[in-house]
Amino acid sequence: AQRVTQPEKLLSVFKGAPVELKCNYSYSGSPELFWYVQYSRQRLQLLLRHISRESIKGFTADLNKGETSFHLKKPFAQEEDSAMYYCAWAAGNKLTFGGGTRVLVKP
Amino acid sequence: DSGVTQTPKHLITATGQRVTLRCSPRSGDLSVYWYQQSLDQGLQFLIQYYNGEERAKGNILERFSAQQFPDLHSELNLSSLELGDSALYFCASSVDGAVDTEAFFGQGTRLTVV
Repeated sequence: AQRVTQPEKLLSVFKGAPVELKCNYSYSGSPELFWYVQYSRQRLQLLLRHISRESIKGFTADLNKGETSFHLKKPFAQEEDSAMYYCAWAAGNKLTFGGGTRVLVKP
Repeated sequence: DSGVTQTPKHLITATGQRVTLRCSPRSGDLSVYWYQQSLDQGLQFLIQYYNGEERAKGNILERFSAQQFPDLHSELNLSSLELGDSALYFCASSVDGAVDTEAFFGQGTRLTVV
């Protein structure tokens, strides 16, 4: 089955340390990939998408077709980055989410 | 505030009952998505509507149904409820329902089946 996998349920890092959230997909074509974020008591919202190749809040994500990955990275984590992060894959009008990774940035 | 409104925020009901969850999309958005978020299954896509028509279907049970009305609001009907249906149900909307268009999420309806 075509799916998106986030192998880490919880990622705990110290403020200022780099953080990388893993996302792997299984899809034979060219996927549309996104990262969504849900801060505490807030709605799920789009963080970034691979087609725009942008950096949002210091986060970047590169699509690696060879490794079928779309990992989310930030060189220096901040406490306000603590949230739930979802990798999502879009195809056939469906937006399919991974299981999510909870990021906890400790002071 | 994303502009997507879901009601009610919380719902507690008994097994075997039927409930209706309501979603008002952002002004101008034609497409509505429904998702179920449970502890063990994560965020699961249920169904998508575009301008009143069903566009895509995910892991939606036969006991569940949805529709989008002419004013573009949507309702998700859950019947013969089971304990395992307890979850957070999210609605999202987007302008055109295209896969690369940002979807804006509501706050969700927390359903507890007892």
